[in-house]
Amino acid sequence: DAGVIQSPRHEVTEMGQEVTLRCKPISGHNSLFWYRQTMMRGLELLIYFNNNVPIDDSGMPEDRFSAKMPNASFSTLKIQPSEPRDSAVYFCASKRGNQPQHFGDGTRLSIL
Amino acid sequence: ILNVEQSPQSLHVQEGDSTNFTCSFPSSNFYALHWYRWETAKSPEALFVMTLNGDEKKKGRISATLNTKEGYSYLYIKGSQPEDSATYLCAFSNQAGTALIFGKGTTLSVSS
Repeated sequence: DAGVIQSPRHEVTEMGQEVTLRCKPISGHNSLFWYRQTMMRGLELLIYFNNNVPIDDSGMPEDRFSAKMPNASFSTLKIQPSEPRDSAVYFCASKRGNQPQHFGDGTRLSIL
Repeated sequence: ILNVEQSPQSLHVQEGDSTNFTCSFPSSNFYALHWYRWETAKSPEALFVMTLNGDEKKKGRISATLNTKEGYSYLYIKGSQPEDSATYLCAFSNQAGTALIFGKGTTLSVSS
């Protein structure tokens, strides 16, 4: 079975550019999570969706960050405009019901 | 603010040593406690999900216990091997359908 698929794996871009991270959850999973991993804060929850509906976006750092889940098989996390402090590894995870979360391989983002 | 604390932050053991580390979480409104194993350059993988006070789970040389009344869980590794080197994350949820709150992890290094 395919796991959670994230793209791109690596992104290097200049400050001020728009960045879009993509996630395809495991088929049949009804919850999707976006996390950011940094050395200082560890794994931080940014936003999560249940049945494509955003439930809690209190972890989204500021208005430059937005996330959508237009259907059960796709979600995006967008940063516009990007800043160097946004550099981190961004993970997407999905789960079904109360089962454990399955993580994607992450997107390593570097903003110059 | 719900907080999950893990200790120690890191430890280094010799091959064959047994070791354990701790996860502390809020003892009120407990729903589930998850343990994940996170190898470098990979994504976190679920080890255990525990929901009942006194639960004990085992997978090979790795086991975990849960005390929901006092708000802690222990992860034990018996006879550590170099391939056990990873960061071990615990995550807590206080109700069904909500996101997990992750600790910052314990990074284990096993040398041969």
